[in-house]
Amino acid sequence: QVQLQESGPRLVKPSETLSLTCNVSAGSMSPYYWSWIRQPPGKGLEWIGYVYYSGSTNYSPSLKSRVTMAVDTAQNQFSLKVRSVTAADTAVYYCAGRRRGHYYMDVWGKGTTVTVSS
Amino acid sequence: ETVLTQSPGSLSLSPGERVTLSCRASQSVDSDYLAWYQQKPGQAPRVLIYGASTRATGIPDRFSGSGSGTDFTLTISRLEPEDFAVYYCQHFGNSPWTFGQGTKVEIK
Repeated sequence: QVQLQESGPRLVKPSETLSLTCNVSAGSMSPYYWSWIRQPPGKGLEWIGYVYYSGSTNYSPSLKSRVTMAVDTAQNQFSLKVRSVTAADTAVYYCAGRRRGHYYMDVWGKGTTVTVSS
Repeated sequence: ETVLTQSPGSLSLSPGERVTLSCRASQSVDSDYLAWYQQKPGQAPRVLIYGASTRATGIPDRFSGSGSGTDFTLTISRLEPEDFAVYYCQHFGNSPWTFGQGTKVEIK
């Protein structure tokens, strides 16, 4: 069973770039759609976008102008960058995977809390 | 963008009761592309139902899903103490793969 683990800075200053990495272990990165999902404190889940194992991406329109995702299959990891962050980007960030042909997120990381503050 | 609206926002129930949660889509969703998740405090969500009605591996049969088009339902036939949590629907039709805002099921 594939396992995911998020890593990255827990505190980011306003206007800077939030960068997270998700390490994939105990399985192959293909053929998965690798997503990032966030959850502000006390609120619901927001899908940010995905990077396919081949490298193609698809982002939510609400964040598309500030987000970049990438995959590194040699390192078994994928990444998220969110530029020009504000306090509204404070959230628990989850990485998750949807296997091709399955229409649900069947593997999730435990989540990492990122706070945007000076 | 397909907006998913869940109702009610929250409800208080006792163990043993039956609960029905609604997920309404702003446009038709292929039932193959509708999933339900359960999230407990401090944990990542876990999938309960996919394809609108298929239970994920290891999910008890007290959980069931139904629906088509724009109206989908998650039913828990008899609430167990471990079922008190927040439930989300998500679609995998056209991007973005949005979530509903969630329904919180609390102990009465």
